[in-house]
Order: sequence, then structure tokens, then C-alpha cells
Amino acid sequence: LAKTTQPISMDSYEGQEVNITCSHNNIATNDYITWYQQFPSQGPRFIIQGYKTKVTNEVASLFIPADRKSSTLSLPRVSLSDTAVYYCLVGDGGNFNKFYFGSGTKLNVKP
Amino acid sequence: GAVVSQHPSWVICKSGTSVKIECRSLDFQATTMFWYRQFPKQSLMLMATSNEGSKATYEQGVEKDKFLINHASLTLSTLTVTSAHPEDSSFYICSATPGTGNYGYTFGSGTRLTVV
Repeated sequence: LAKTTQPISMDSYEGQEVNITCSHNNIATNDYITWYQQFPSQGPRFIIQGYKTKVTNEVASLFIPADRKSSTLSLPRVSLSDTAVYYCLVGDGGNFNKFYFGSGTKLNVKP
Repeated sequence: GAVVSQHPSWVICKSGTSVKIECRSLDFQATTMFWYRQFPKQSLMLMATSNEGSKATYEQGVEKDKFLINHASLTLSTLTVTSAHPEDSSFYICSATPGTGNYGYTFGSGTRLTVV
């Protein structure tokens, strides 16, 4: 069961690039890394998923080093609406892909 | 695509009564669904794995007789909180996946349960 560790909170200002790093030292060979965003009283929303190196989509980039023991979610030019909790999850590939949530990172974007 | 609908979005019930929460996959068949609980300012806690046509698998510490899960079809799983008490008040969230494999899971919008 891969456990993830993230900073509890981060502050940023509008227009800045934000990088949130997640540690997952015991990630399994078959596990993918997935990031979710959650607003208060809403279900988590999928942001990006990757296995290794770099993945980019229309909202974020995900950087994964060769040893895959960590990953970094990069949000370009954040806005106030990006204030949310961000969760890094590692798929437990051998057990029906159950996701166990860590503490997440509360991102506060200031004007 | 990959939409999960959860109903109701909020519910208030009296202590001792039972409440049913529905989770539906609208545009795909979900062989596996998951139920989470989230208390204020805390992370999501996995309660159980719901498998279509078979018994749910509960996480350690979750009372299976209190939180009844039924996954009778490939598009619907229900969570029934039986004999609810104020400490069961929480935000319940379901997620679904078409099957095994490393997909981005889709989560429902959540159900706010308040037991008075």
C-alpha cells in the first residue's frame, strides 16, 4: 500500500506558477500517479495522471523522476479559483485500484 | 464522458432512522465503485469497495452492518446508513471506474448527511 506525503498547505499569488510535490517512496511497479482537486462540499475532480517522466494537459503538468518516488504537480499562472485542496494518489494496482487519500495540500491563492 | 451522479446532494434525518444514498455511473458501466466518508477539514476516508453482483469489501474499522452497500447493476451502487446517529453526520462520496486498470477515477458530487 503506497502512502503519499504532501505539504499541508501552500500560499501563492494570482498569476504565479505553483508546484506541489508529493512523496511516494514505496510506489509499486504497476502504480500510476494521479492528482485530484477538491473544492469544499464537492467530490474530487481529476486533474492529471502519469506513470513516468512528464505529462501535460490543458490545465497542469506532472513531473515524475526516474525513481518515481515523488511527483510534482505544476499549475501555470494560478487564479483565485484554483484555491482548493490537491490530492496526490498512487494506484494500488494489485488490489482493485483502491485509492487511499493522504492529507492533501490546501492551496491558497491570494489576489 | 465518465460522469458519476450522486443523490441526494444533502439529507437531514432523525437519529435512529436509515438513509439511502445512490451512486450512478451515467455513461459507462462501473464494475467497481468505492464509497468514501469525509469529515470537515479532513481527507477522504475509504469505507468500502462495491463490486457488481457480489458482496462489498469493507475497510478495517467500518461496520458493514451499519453501512449497507448494494451494487445490483453495472450503473448503480447504494449506501444505506442504518440507525443513523449524529456521529454519522458527514460528507459521503462515491467514485467509479469501468474496471481494473489505472484510470482516472470519477467521483460523485457527494452527499451531505446531517443526523439530528
